[in-house]
Amino acid sequence: DTGVSQNPRHKITKRGQNVTFRCDPISEHNRLYWYRQTLGQGPEFLTYFQNEAQLEKSRLLSDRFSAERPKGSFSTLEIQRTEQGDSAMYLCASSPRRGGHGYTFGSGTRLTVV
Amino acid sequence: AQSVTQLDSQVPVFEEAPVELRCNYSSSVSVYLFWYVQYPNQGLQLLLKYLSGSTLVESINGFEAEFNKSQTSFHLRKPSVHISDTAEYFCAVSDRKETQGGSEKLVFGKGTKLTVNP
Repeated sequence: DTGVSQNPRHKITKRGQNVTFRCDPISEHNRLYWYRQTLGQGPEFLTYFQNEAQLEKSRLLSDRFSAERPKGSFSTLEIQRTEQGDSAMYLCASSPRRGGHGYTFGSGTRLTVV
Repeated sequence: AQSVTQLDSQVPVFEEAPVELRCNYSSSVSVYLFWYVQYPNQGLQLLLKYLSGSTLVESINGFEAEFNKSQTSFHLRKPSVHISDTAEYFCAVSDRKETQGGSEKLVFGKGTKLTVNP
């Protein structure tokens, strides 16, 4: 069990550029989540996958955001035409099953849009 | 919709003093309750959780939290804190509703920064 891995740890990009983040969950976890955390706030839910199916998306996930989990293993989160308001920590988490077992979070990708 | 309120954004205490971090939630359905801790430059770690049964739950490092349904609270306590407890603490809820494909997504409070001074 190597935990949840996120890459890159930090990303600085110019406004208008596209960025992509990767999350590798714990291998036996079929539930995968993306959250966004801005300064002074708690994490906010973005989207949820069960295996390869994206089953829930937050209204925070504008049409510039897209997430995939093509084979039910790793996941990517892409932001197109980045804006300064996208600057945040993007957190990935995974969970083995329902029942309130809690998540294992990755260390996050910190995005800075300049 | 669910919401979580952490009334104190910052709590400074001296080492070996007791501490209570407050958490109140609002939900129209039954919930699971969690406390997560975030140390500087690290990800979130699960500290403890309430699923069912005894309303008092404990962590391995001396923290405890009590679920109070009538007051919709889940306050976190420790009788004697250490310098190493300095971190940000997040209270979170997820619903118990059994729906197919249900995400059990977490709704977090804004966090409480605990600073333990020597």
